[in-house]
Amino acid sequence: DIQMTQSPSTLSASVGDRVTITCRASESVSRWMAWYQQKPGKGPKLLIYDASNLENGVPSRFSGSGSGTEFTLTISSLQPDDFATYYCQQYDSYLTFGGGTKVEIK
Amino acid sequence: QVQLQESGPGLVKPSQTLSLTCTVSGGSISSRGHYWSWIRQHPEKGLEWIAYTYYSGSTDYSPSLKSRVTISIDTSKNQFSLRLRSVTAADTAIYYCARNILTTIFVFDSWGQGIPVTVSS
Repeated sequence: DIQMTQSPSTLSASVGDRVTITCRASESVSRWMAWYQQKPGKGPKLLIYDASNLENGVPSRFSGSGSGTEFTLTISSLQPDDFATYYCQQYDSYLTFGGGTKVEIK
Repeated sequence: QVQLQESGPGLVKPSQTLSLTCTVSGGSISSRGHYWSWIRQHPEKGLEWIAYTYYSGSTDYSPSLKSRVTISIDTSKNQFSLRLRSVTAADTAIYYCARNILTTIFVFDSWGQGIPVTVSS
């Protein structure tokens, strides 16, 4: 199985901050990477797919980059609605999720 | 906009079979290109894909769960279902049903709100 390692596991930030979350794959997944946002009591919400494609309706402050084994999700200016947990997911070989990054209020 | 809703028992005894159903509304489960998956979320182990099905009856399973899982689809009811046999405490999780985006089977743009399932005697 391809293992996905997210860092940091928790991130404290303020509204307006630029936030970057990193995901590393145990082997190359090309550009087959997605990012999700999850809030308590809800299913995950798709933000990014194919490493950098923004899902319809997702604000442009979210962006994704990377290829191979290293990927990043960036929030250019953190908004109150963005405090949540974020997951990466590879789909090069079946699929596996990262362990999550909780973005909390500083 | 399609909506998914999980239903089933919230408590299952060890060694028994867990059965869950996902009801799809706002769209047809027979829509070409859409695959229907079950995914679970453990408190400690995170998110884990279980299986998918397609309107044609095609299925695929996670290799780690394949021996215990059956997924099925009922197009007449716009529902699909999961059966997980011989459950243990390790199967305690929140179970989600989800739909893929059209360009790939394994990216999900619609999720149910999840149903918590506890395995305990």
